[in-house]
Amino acid sequence: DQQVKQNSPSLSVQEGRISILNCDYTNSMFDYFLWYKKYPAEGPTFLISISSIKDKNEDGRFTVFLNKSAKHLSLHIVPSQPGDSAVYFCAAVTNGDMRFGAGTRLTVKP
Amino acid sequence: EAGVAQSPRYKIIEKRQSVAFWCNPISGHATLYWYQQILGQGPKLLIQFQNNGVVDDSQLPKDRFSAERLKGVDSTLKIQPAKLEDSAVYLCASSLVKAATNEKLFFGSGTQLSVL
Repeated sequence: DQQVKQNSPSLSVQEGRISILNCDYTNSMFDYFLWYKKYPAEGPTFLISISSIKDKNEDGRFTVFLNKSAKHLSLHIVPSQPGDSAVYFCAAVTNGDMRFGAGTRLTVKP
Repeated sequence: EAGVAQSPRYKIIEKRQSVAFWCNPISGHATLYWYQQILGQGPKLLIQFQNNGVVDDSQLPKDRFSAERLKGVDSTLKIQPAKLEDSAVYLCASSLVKAATNEKLFFGSGTQLSVL
């Protein structure tokens, strides 16, 4: 039962360019969305979130966009830095139930 | 502020053996979660505690997995007996109150379990 999908297992971008990570969901009851970042041998750490009543949230170089009609959200990183290289998980919440996507491995090349 | 502590970091066992994982959440965090992350997949919730009570254990394979959170602080997750498909990273997380609409989780570094 994959209610949250990240269809791109990996993404490679050049330093300074934009990174766009995508996430799709199937459950229209999700009302809050989060992105977590995970480095090797560490647990996921919270990056940015968005409520379903908004369509955009920005925090420094990170912006999350939500398209409820398409059940799609994306994370934009501008400009990308080598330190952003990690696995990014999309998560969606309804009624306290948080579901995760499978993750996208981002590699930022110097 | 100390983060979520987990031990051991790695564990290798043979199938049918038993194993236990320990987690100490961030001080003051009422809610504690155990997640299973199989390689190539996202974390999957096994069990959620609110203080020392179970909130959700619907995805916990209760024939072999058990968990407790005595005194509402630290927690242990046990697998007995282990199967090959239990090989995964077991992540513990905590949150101040509950995974409500505006609350993020704080994760530990996880325990990587290999069942041979």
